[in-house]
Amino acid sequence: GQSLEQPSEVTAVEGAIVQINCTYQTSGFYGLSWYQQHDGGAPTFLSYNALDGLEETGRFSSFLSRSDSYGYLLLQELQMKDSASYFCAVRDPYNTDKLIFGTGTRLQVFP
Amino acid sequence: GAVVSQHPSRVICKSGTSVKIECRSLDFQATTMFWYRQFPKQSLMLMATSNEGSKATYEQGVEKDKFLINHASLTLSTLTVTSAHPEDSSFYICSANGGNNEQFFGPGTRLTVL
Repeated sequence: GQSLEQPSEVTAVEGAIVQINCTYQTSGFYGLSWYQQHDGGAPTFLSYNALDGLEETGRFSSFLSRSDSYGYLLLQELQMKDSASYFCAVRDPYNTDKLIFGTGTRLQVFP
Repeated sequence: GAVVSQHPSRVICKSGTSVKIECRSLDFQATTMFWYRQFPKQSLMLMATSNEGSKATYEQGVEKDKFLINHASLTLSTLTVTSAHPEDSSFYICSANGGNNEQFFGPGTRLTVL
C-alpha cells in the first residue's frame, strides 16, 4: 500500500525558517503535493513537485528527491498565521484522481 | 481557483437519525468528487469517490449502506450518514480535482451526534 510519514509537530518562532519532512512509500509515483489546513478549515493547496529539486513560491518552497522517496516543505520568514497543519500527499497509483495524505504535521509559531 | 462549497457547516443530531451533507462545485463541473473524514488532530481519510451518474466507489472498511453518496449532477454530490451514532461524529470534507494537480476542498461539515 501507500504510506506517507511526517513529524507530528514542529514549533518555531516568528521570522524563523522551518522544514517539514515527508517520506513516502508508494508502488507508483505521480508527484508530491503539499496542503495547509488551519483548525476547522479546509485544506488548501500549497505546492506540487513532479521532478527532483526545489520549487519556490514566495515564502514557501518544496523539495523532492525521488531516489530517496523524500520531500520537504520549507517555510521562511514565519508568521503567526502560518500556525496550521501541513500535509504531504501523493496520487493513488491505481486511481490517480485520488489523493493519499500523509500523517500531517502541526506547526506552531510563537511570537 | 475553483470554489467548492459544503452545507451545512455544522450539524448536531440525535443518535439514530440521518444527516445529509451537500457538496457543490460553484464555478466548474466535477464529474468526480471525493469525501473525506477527519478526526481531531488526525489526517484526512478518504471515504469514497463520488462519480456523476454512477455508483460511488468506497474505500476499504467504509460501509456503503451507512454512508450513502449521490452524485446527481455535475455540480452536486451528497453524503448521507444514515442512523448516525456518536462514533460518526467527525469533520467531513468534500473535494474535487482542479487543474494543475490541485484538489479543491470544501470548508467541511462538523457533525456531532448526541
